[in-house]
Amino acid sequence: GAGVSQSPSNKVTEKGKDVELRCDPISGHTALYWYRQSLGQGLEFLIYFQGNSAPDKSGLPSDRFSAERTGGSVSTLTIQRTQQEDSAVYLCASSYNWGVDTEAFFGQGTRLTVV
Amino acid sequence: LAKTTQPISMDSYEGQEVNITCSHNNIATNDYITWYQQFPSQGPRFIIQGYKTKVTNEVASLFIPADRKSSTLSLPRVSLSDTAVYYCLVGPRLSFGAGTTVTVRA
Repeated sequence: GAGVSQSPSNKVTEKGKDVELRCDPISGHTALYWYRQSLGQGLEFLIYFQGNSAPDKSGLPSDRFSAERTGGSVSTLTIQRTQQEDSAVYLCASSYNWGVDTEAFFGQGTRLTVV
Repeated sequence: LAKTTQPISMDSYEGQEVNITCSHNNIATNDYITWYQQFPSQGPRFIIQGYKTKVTNEVASLFIPADRKSSTLSLPRVSLSDTAVYYCLVGPRLSFGAGTTVTVRA
């Protein structure tokens, strides 16, 4: 596609349920990032994938969070046993390569609300 | 990772030039400096990137002194639509700080 696509755009879930958020990066981009942004706050790094290398999971806030990237393309962020504090906008970005010296393109995000 | 420090907020008026300075004292030799802009309810978008001296594009200019321990994003003749959060990033990982909220008033 022309840009980074995220789905769903909005998700309301009950506390304790699992959710999956999807990210389709720009074709050919080897690096993929996930961020979380709470209302009025900056972006909190969660995880990034670079090609076939092991992902950098250092930003995942707890073991309830996990992410996969299949075939070096689509990525899924899974949150198990959701809590109200998980409510936020989850943003995905991709870039041609890894590092700040390449431009990253962001999706529109998934707004997650845990009730 | 190089830590960045930038003002939390700045106010300006239409037609003025806005300069946002970011401090990054422990920038590494190979690090680039990149600025992103974020409008409400949207993901950030790339504005400009540089390594040293001055970079200019159709949107902004980036000034980097010789020691590279700081950088200044310059937005010429801002309009109301430039109201956004501006992030300074340094280093190999896209690590966003709190950013600078720029509010442009009529």
